[in-house]
Amino acid sequence: GQNIDQPTEMTATEGAIVQINCTYQTSGFNGLFWYQQHAGEAPTFLSYNVLDGLEEKGRFSSFLSRSKGYSYLLLKELQMKDSASYLCAVKDGSYIPTFGRGTSLIVHP
Amino acid sequence: DAEITQSPRHKITETGRQVTLACHQTWNHNNMFWYRQDLGHGLRLIHYSYGVHDTNKGEVSDGYSVSRSNTEDLPLTLESAASSQTSVYFCASSGARTTGELFFGEGSRLTVL
Repeated sequence: GQNIDQPTEMTATEGAIVQINCTYQTSGFNGLFWYQQHAGEAPTFLSYNVLDGLEEKGRFSSFLSRSKGYSYLLLKELQMKDSASYLCAVKDGSYIPTFGRGTSLIVHP
Repeated sequence: DAEITQSPRHKITETGRQVTLACHQTWNHNNMFWYRQDLGHGLRLIHYSYGVHDTNKGEVSDGYSVSRSNTEDLPLTLESAASSQTSVYFCASSGARTTGELFFGEGSRLTVL
């Protein structure tokens, strides 16, 4: 079976940097995705990692270590609009996307 | 612009009734998925399809069925609604099975009384 773990909730201050971790154990691995979901809305795609290393996209970066079964999403220069849930999802050997329970990020002024 | 739409967006029904949630995408994606989202559980996969006439069970498929008669649509049917099926349901599609990200519909909130 699949096991994907993320912290339930995190808080941070506007302008700061926050790192959201995700650890996984899956049957096969075909990529790790991060999605953002604002309350009452649909998830939207943020990033994709399939090889080890850091992928940077503006204020957001995502890191992957396949040997450790570990990823993180780094958010820089936090803004109030970044308050949302962040979902880690892994595609297993059958390419089926499985989601963690999500991390609720609260950004304070 | 291509999109994925769900209907109805909100529905209240009674225990034992059959309910169908519609999902329609204009991305021309082969891969379509249904998830339910509940507090404390995140998104859990109900059924998925990799193409016309292909359907597969996900993690929480009991009490649900899907059919794929064309590329654009994957309706989700609750055969006999139960209170445990009160949830928010998301349909999603993706292009490449390997690297493609999911594009989500806006969600359907179902309440079973």
